[in-house]
Amino acid sequence: GDSVTQMEGPVTLSEEAFLTINCTYTATGYPSLFWYVQYPGEGLQLLLKATKADDKGSNKGFEATYRKETTSFHLEKGSVQVSDSAVYFCALSDRTNAGKSTFGDGTTLTVKP
Amino acid sequence: EAGVVQSPRYKIIEKKQPVAFWCNPISGHNTLYWYRQNLGQGPELLIRYENEEAVDDSQLPKDRFSAERLKGVDSTLKIQPAELGDSAVYLCASSENSGSVSDTQYFGPGTRLTVL
Repeated sequence: GDSVTQMEGPVTLSEEAFLTINCTYTATGYPSLFWYVQYPGEGLQLLLKATKADDKGSNKGFEATYRKETTSFHLEKGSVQVSDSAVYFCALSDRTNAGKSTFGDGTTLTVKP
Repeated sequence: EAGVVQSPRYKIIEKKQPVAFWCNPISGHNTLYWYRQNLGQGPELLIRYENEEAVDDSQLPKDRFSAERLKGVDSTLKIQPAELGDSAVYLCASSENSGSVSDTQYFGPGTRLTVL
């Protein structure tokens, strides 16, 4: 079945540091890929997505590129802020079962001033 | 625009008791999802509705869990009887386009269930 593997956390960075959160996936077809973010006390919300190979999703300074050859969708940001502290979830949506999503276990990011 | 509404936000019950969770999706969203999120893990799909039809309930423990989405709008998820292992956050999400793999899901804040 489908699966998503994220780098384990927690991740602690200083403000303005570079962020990478690794995500790799296993799927039978050509999934759409997503990063969701959960801020403290809030529900999950979409951060960015990519629907086909080599697509780059971007939002709020975050980027991730759909790499079919390495089955990866790593999240990056050049300069993190304290307000980026949250839990980040990588997810895929399986074309063979349209709409069914599989989530990774989440990576907790803490940014210190 | 109002987001996905869930209630209650927190629920504490004793094992073997029944419990119900309610979700009202974003207006106009045809697809509704119920997920369970255990501590330190990602959400796991329990059931997905397209309008009032349950199109994927393969992960729903049908011996004790039930769900309904009457009139294709709001939905209720029930557990009867609850077990200790049911302690988790129950998330509801909705999306606009039926069956689109690129569709964004919009999540509610969740209901945190504690079974004693």
